[in-house]
Amino acid sequence: AQSVTQLGSHVSVSEGALVLLRCNYSSSVPPYLFWYVQYPNQGLQLLLKYTTGATLVKGINGFEAEFKKSETSFHLTKPSAHMSDAAEYFCAVSGDFTGGGNKLTFGTGTQLKVEL
Amino acid sequence: GAGVSQTPSNKVTEKGKYVELRCDPISGHTALYWYRQSLGQGPEFLIYFQGTGAADDSGLPNDRFFAVRPEGSVSTLKIQRTERGDSAVYLCASRERASTDTQYFGPGTRLTVL
Repeated sequence: AQSVTQLGSHVSVSEGALVLLRCNYSSSVPPYLFWYVQYPNQGLQLLLKYTTGATLVKGINGFEAEFKKSETSFHLTKPSAHMSDAAEYFCAVSGDFTGGGNKLTFGTGTQLKVEL
Repeated sequence: GAGVSQTPSNKVTEKGKYVELRCDPISGHTALYWYRQSLGQGPEFLIYFQGTGAADDSGLPNDRFFAVRPEGSVSTLKIQRTERGDSAVYLCASRERASTDTQYFGPGTRLTVL
């Protein structure tokens, strides 16, 4: 079984400030981890993913995340927030894909607000 | 290229009615998923198709929900005797093949049951 916990349903930052969105996971198998972003009335867009290899992964729009197995975490960061980053962010976990299937289990999301 | 498309974008129905929601995956993608996103929640898995067959339907909440993918491309999610609690955004995603890891999501269908 797998689960995801996103701490903070709402996060507010000033434009230019560091963005930190927290994600902790639980998985009985080696996890694959994802961050998706959802803009209003749009589908989910993949920001970045960790499958194997380097634990620090870089994604689109200047976001990055680090897989820390010892902490079961995959926090999302961006050094400098931009107004266009305002959206809802979802962390998700799945197992490996060798067996096919591998549905995503999502957290409840974090709404990011960026203020001037 | 074209992404995942879903129709209709919005559907309003009355309690007890039958609805069908359609998903067109990215061309050539063999894996297709349905998720349901209730207000204020993350998406929840409903069903997964590999080709024409439902490989995992463990997320379907009850027997009022059914999905098909007869030719291994377009999929239809069918809900019988709709209830107000079925109101949600229904998301479809596709993945290129079993060995790849990224699911691409459509814009969703917002279902409102009155």
